[in-house]
Amino acid sequence: GQQVMQIPQYQHVQEGEDFTTYCNSSTTLSNIQWYKQRPGGHPVFLIQLVKSGEVKKQKRLTFQFGEAKKNSSLHITATQTTDVGTYFCASWRWAGSYQLTFGKGTKLSVIP
Amino acid sequence: NAGVTQTPKFQVLKTGQSMTLQCAQDMNHNSMYWYRQDPGMGLRLIYYSASEGTTDKGEVPNGYNVSRLNKREFSLRLESAAPSQTSVYFCASSLETHSNQPQHFGDGTRLSIL
Repeated sequence: GQQVMQIPQYQHVQEGEDFTTYCNSSTTLSNIQWYKQRPGGHPVFLIQLVKSGEVKKQKRLTFQFGEAKKNSSLHITATQTTDVGTYFCASWRWAGSYQLTFGKGTKLSVIP
Repeated sequence: NAGVTQTPKFQVLKTGQSMTLQCAQDMNHNSMYWYRQDPGMGLRLIYYSASEGTTDKGEVPNGYNVSRLNKREFSLRLESAAPSQTSVYFCASSLETHSNQPQHFGDGTRLSIL
């Protein structure tokens, strides 16, 4: 079935450096969602992308959906310690009914 | 506005014991979900309920049962706990089970099976 592969699994950056996580699929995705989970917390919805080539920004976060709708990326400019956590991509897939399939996540550590 | 509430937050069980994890949402959502989260595995769907009165298996349903008690509540039961079920369990809800819907998660239940 449709799966989303996420890389890298871990990323350590110095505070102020940029960070990017990638989400890839072998099949065309209807949409992509991004979630953030702080250490010890629960996943929190960040954004959803639907259109081919779509780009959305939230302050220092930039989200992109590929032209072929098979990949997506989340880029953080000038990381801060508050960005620490695990970032998940997810996509709805049909398996008798719609189910949300999550990537395994990228765990971001920010060194002050 | 509580959102999604899970109880208990922590639980330790012995192998073979049973327990029920409770979940309730106050957002008038139709769909509810149970996930487990293990290190390096991301979130895996156990069971879901697209609407009141319906439940369906997800990716990893073995060893679990669920009950959609009413529109607000969706419980997860472990009949005979096994060490492999040690995990963090998250309940989530969405307006409906449909493409383009965000999911709202509870704080999780950290379950250890000895």
